[in-house]
Amino acid sequence: GNSVTQMEGPVTLSEEAFLTINCTYTATGYPSLFWYVQYPGEGLQLLLKATKADDKGSNKGFEATYRKETTSFHLEKGSVQVSDSAVYFCALHTSGTYKYIFGTGTRLKVLA
Amino acid sequence: GAVVSQHPSRVICKSGTSVKIECRSLDFQATTMFWYRQFPKKSLMLMATSNEGSKATYEQGVEKDKFLINHASLTLSTLTVTSAHPEDSSFYICSALTSGRTDTQYFGPGTRLTVL
Repeated sequence: GNSVTQMEGPVTLSEEAFLTINCTYTATGYPSLFWYVQYPGEGLQLLLKATKADDKGSNKGFEATYRKETTSFHLEKGSVQVSDSAVYFCALHTSGTYKYIFGTGTRLKVLA
Repeated sequence: GAVVSQHPSRVICKSGTSVKIECRSLDFQATTMFWYRQFPKKSLMLMATSNEGSKATYEQGVEKDKFLINHASLTLSTLTVTSAHPEDSSFYICSALTSGRTDTQYFGPGTRLTVL
């Protein structure tokens, strides 16, 4: 079945450090891939998405590229800020179903 | 655009009582809404899929008689936790699909339920 695997957290970085959060997936067909962010005490916000191979999603300095050959959708940011501290969820969706498959989430803590 | 609200944001209730949580799509029509449950430091667990005007589809292991879902209009779905117990304490999050886009879910801010 479909699944999403994220790197274990928490990830602790200093401000302005480079961020990578790994995400790999298993899916039949051609899924759409998403990154959602959850700030403390809040719901999930869509951060970025990509719907086909080689697409790059980007938003607020975050980027992720849909790599079909490695079945990956790693999240990157060149310079993190304290305000980026949150939990990041990778997710996939395949056509023909409305369901999302979420990864377990990766907690990011950025220190000033 | 694509804003989803939930009410209440926090609720504390006594064991044995019922609690209703509302999920509204504010600026779009949502033919399909989802209810998730999130345990501390865990991912989201899909509880059920709610389609306007029809019965909800529950995931395996979710008690439909305990978690009543009603999707009465294109902008409102409700989750009622009946005869709540402390183990029902959790963060409940809804999401909605816009009728024109079936690949992107928009999430509400969540409802923290505490059962004493």
